[in-house]
This record gives sequence, C-alpha cells and structure tokens, in this order.
Amino acid sequence: DAMVIQNPRYQVTQFGKPVTLSCSQTLNHNVMYWYQQKSSQAPKLLFHYYDKDFNNEADTPDNFQSRRPNTSFCFLDIRSPGLGDAAMYLCATSRAGSAPRKETQYFGPGTRLLVL
Amino acid sequence: GNSVTQMEGPVTLSEEAFLTINCTYTATGYPSLFWYVQYPGEGLQLLLKATKADDKGSNKGFEATYRKETTSFHLEKGSVQVSDSAVYFCALYSSASKIIFGSGTRLSIRP
Repeated sequence: DAMVIQNPRYQVTQFGKPVTLSCSQTLNHNVMYWYQQKSSQAPKLLFHYYDKDFNNEADTPDNFQSRRPNTSFCFLDIRSPGLGDAAMYLCATSRAGSAPRKETQYFGPGTRLLVL
Repeated sequence: GNSVTQMEGPVTLSEEAFLTINCTYTATGYPSLFWYVQYPGEGLQLLLKATKADDKGSNKGFEATYRKETTSFHLEKGSVQVSDSAVYFCALYSSASKIIFGSGTRLSIRP
C-alpha cells in the first residue's frame, strides 16, 4: 500500500545533542511537510517542500532544519534539542498542482521525541 | 483570512449514542474541507473530506456535509463505539498547499 513512513517511531536524545528524524513516502507526492504536535493540540507546521523548493514558516526556530534529497525522502534535523522540543513530529505529503485548493494531506504515524 | 472553529472538548458519550462534533469555517471561495482522526499515540488519519459545496464525505459510519449557507462541516455518526475514542480535527485547505486545523475535539466513549 502507498503510504507515508516515519522512522523511528520513538526517539530519545539528550539536551543539546543533534537528532535527525526521517520520513519516506511511496505516494510519489511532490509536497512534503513537517509538523510539530504537543499534547494532542493541533499540529503546527514547521516547513514544507514543494518539489525542491523549501518553504519555512515565519515562526519556526532556526534550530529546526530540513533536507529533501529526493522525491521520496525528507529529513528533520534538530540541531540542539531543548526540553521544549519534546513533542510528536508528524510528516505529511500531498500532490499539489492538479486541482487548486483541493489538495489532501496524508500523514505518517509520527515520531515521538523525548529530550533528556 | 481562512479559519476553522471547532467544538470544544472533551466529549464523553455512551456506546451507541449519536455523535455530533461541530465545525464552522471562514474561507474565500470553496476550499476542500477535512476531518482527521488521531488515535492515542498515532499520527493523523484522514477520516473524510468534501471538495465542494453540498458534498457529503463519509467513512466508517461518519458523515459530514459541506454547507456553504451555514459555513459548517459538522461531523456526525449515528452509533458510536468504544473504538471511536480519539481526537478529531476539522481542517480546511488554506493557501499555498497548506491546511488550517481546528483545535481538536477529544472524544471518549464509555462501554
């Protein structure tokens, strides 16, 4: 089945130690997103890639970076995790361009990050 | 700008009760509307969607109708089960490939 895959499902890191979360998709979608979600609040968009174009949200801290080496993979890098970065990180994908304003986002299972 | 207002939770119901979770929106034109469900410890799953006015989305016994007159997209289910316990998010397509989420409604079903 076509899907969005996130690894690992749980990640433990130490305060200040860089960590990378990964996302892959078999949907061949051209847009990939990273969200941060705390305590079942609404997901907060950090950034997204439209094809190779990176789009950062204005309030995303510089501590968060992303890479998309190809269509299928996207990475979230947290350069120096703080205690406040402990959260669920959700990857999502969509196919943009075919039907304006009708795009649907499909989410992965998430990676729960714990910062010690 | 576009926005979504969702019924505050938590909502607690007995099994087999009727469910309504209210969602209203503000938008320019007729963007797609969505309901996502999040089970404990998991990511968001698309529950249903509607892409134009008067469309009805349905899935797993849940339904929602895109109503332009009342700018609403209320989620309903005729008979809930314990397994429906989750957090439900109403959302709409905003712009530039982004969606806006409501604040989420936690639903608990008692056996």
